[in-house]
Amino acid sequence: DTGVSQDPRHKITKRGQNVTFRCDPISEHNRLYWYRQTLGQGPEFLTYFQNEAQLEKSRLLSDRFSAERPKGSFSTLEIQRTEQGDSAMYLCASSRDFQPQHFGDGTRLSIL
Amino acid sequence: AQTVTQSQPEMSVQEAETVTLSCTYDTSESDYYLFWYKQPPSRQMILVIRQEAYKQQNATENRFSVNFQKAAKSFSLKISDSQLGDAAMYFCAYSPKEGAQKLVFGQGTRLTINP
Repeated sequence: DTGVSQDPRHKITKRGQNVTFRCDPISEHNRLYWYRQTLGQGPEFLTYFQNEAQLEKSRLLSDRFSAERPKGSFSTLEIQRTEQGDSAMYLCASSRDFQPQHFGDGTRLSIL
Repeated sequence: AQTVTQSQPEMSVQEAETVTLSCTYDTSESDYYLFWYKQPPSRQMILVIRQEAYKQQNATENRFSVNFQKAAKSFSLKISDSQLGDAAMYFCAYSPKEGAQKLVFGQGTRLTINP
């Protein structure tokens, strides 16, 4: 069990650029989640995958956001045309059915 | 929609003392999970304790225990013999047992341990 891995740890980009984050879940975890956490707040749910299927998306996930989990292993979260309000910590978590979620270290996104 | 409320933005306790963090939640479901997660300055969220709603017995994990009051929709965390390493943000969270089991978090309580 090597834990949930996220890359990069920190991303700085200019407004309007596209960014992509990667999450490698714990092996054999069939569930994968993305959350967004702004400073001083609790994480908010963005989207959920069961294996390779994206089964739920939050209304927070505008059409500029897209997530994939090809082959049910790693996942990517892409943000197109970044805006100031996208600055946040993006957390990935994984779990097996009915087991607690394990979180990665997160990717901190800073928009200049 | 489910909501989770933590009314204590900050708490402090002397090392070796006991502290209780409060959490209330709202749901129409009868069976669900409740969690306390700890987020140290390194920012990785770590599970502290989990409670299943249908279990009346309060969960315990070493120095950590909960007081689960289902009718009152209250879920507090007690930390006994506080240690410097307990300093962190603590988040209370709810998840349904069905479907995505996505977590709904409270706003967090920052716990400071005074030596």
